[in-house]
Amino acid sequence: DIQMTQSPSSVSASVGDRVTITCRASQGISSWLAWYQQKPGKAPKLLIYAASSLQSGVPSRFSGSGSGTDFTLTISSLQPEDFATYYCQQANSFPPRAFGQGTRLEIK
Amino acid sequence: EVQLVESGGGLVQPGGSLRLSCSASGFTFSSYAMHWVRQAPGKGLEYVSAISSNGGSTYYADSVKGRFTISRDNSKNTLYLQMSSLRAEDTAVYYCVKELLRIAVAGYLDYWGQGTLVTVSS
Repeated sequence: DIQMTQSPSSVSASVGDRVTITCRASQGISSWLAWYQQKPGKAPKLLIYAASSLQSGVPSRFSGSGSGTDFTLTISSLQPEDFATYYCQQANSFPPRAFGQGTRLEIK
Repeated sequence: EVQLVESGGGLVQPGGSLRLSCSASGFTFSSYAMHWVRQAPGKGLEYVSAISSNGGSTYYADSVKGRFTISRDNSKNTLYLQMSSLRAEDTAVYYCVKELLRIAVAGYLDYWGQGTLVTVSS
């Protein structure tokens, strides 16, 4: 099975900061990767699919890049509503469509 | 507006069974694969199962294979997850999720229900 590893597990940042979260797949997955945002008590929200395609309605400060085994999610200028937990997910092979362990983005 | 409403969660004893339902509206249900994803209390997301748009193909995580069965009724716009031989480690919020891509089972999850809590305990 393909394993997904995110880093860091948590990060503290301030409003206006640029933040980058990385996700590494245990084997190549081409561009079959998605990023989700989850706020406490809420369902996850799709931000990015196919590694770099911005989901409709998602602010342009969110961007994704990478292919193969290494991927990044970048938030160019943090807004107060961006503090949440972020998950990557591989969509290359079944089973499973594995998620990363999550990165908690906290206010500094 | 896309809406996914799960039901059927609750408290069940180890070894017991439960059937979750997900009522879908706001999109052409029969054109999209559907998924179940779960989240144990305080933990991360775990992918559970998927079903193709016509129900002809199903997929399961190893942790539930042989115990859970996914199905759908396109005439009723409803997705199901039949869970049996339940274990304490199956305790989680179960989300019904819509596939982003029409027809494909890519695993990109664009609309999520509010989730239903399943608790397996004696």
